[in-house]
Amino acid sequence: RKEVEQDPGPFNVPEGATVAFNCTYSNSASQSFFWYRQDCRKEPKLLMSVYSSGNEDGRFTAQLNRASQYISLLIRDSKLSDSATYLCVVVNTGGFKTIFGAGTRLFVKA
Amino acid sequence: DGGITQSPKYLFRKEGQNVTLSCEQNLNHDAMYWYRQDPGQGLRLIYYSQIVNDFQKGDIAEGYSVSREKKESFPLTVTSAQKNPTAFYLCASSNPMAANYGYTFGSGTRLTVV
Repeated sequence: RKEVEQDPGPFNVPEGATVAFNCTYSNSASQSFFWYRQDCRKEPKLLMSVYSSGNEDGRFTAQLNRASQYISLLIRDSKLSDSATYLCVVVNTGGFKTIFGAGTRLFVKA
Repeated sequence: DGGITQSPKYLFRKEGQNVTLSCEQNLNHDAMYWYRQDPGQGLRLIYYSQIVNDFQKGDIAEGYSVSREKKESFPLTVTSAQKNPTAFYLCASSNPMAANYGYTFGSGTRLTVV
């Protein structure tokens, strides 16, 4: 079993749609969680952190469920510019062990 | 502005040739990493370094070597022992003591065997 698993997609949605991605992780001792965004042929960039209480940044909402060991990302009112691959990231061992999911591809169409 | 610089952006390697990818950061981060990404795949860790003059193998270290003689620099050598080196190579640095760990990537080097 992979340490971090994501649905690879692709998710094809129209502009204005709401879309949600899930990610599961296997290590119950994992400490920190993030969502990164990667555009085609570019480096990943931090989108947002994920906290147990849930957090929101504009149209993006991230949730962490430690009991079930998954994190989620919700995108509301999708824009064409949201088209990218979204990487789930889990950090263990005091910040030195970072594990990236394979990513979920999102295509937003006009 | 602080950041990570990778060079070259594109690199072509002949069979049996060693090549070195450069990674320099001015973020004053202690930790640095090298990842490999294949098309449609996630990032796989090659090597990482938590401090100068120390580095550890990641999940796919075979056929690669690194050095960490300076805090700012973490070059990766792809040796002839790496049988399938064509991939996108990403260097990253982080500060485990900082919020969000300050995990930052360089813009990557795309290596192709010709």
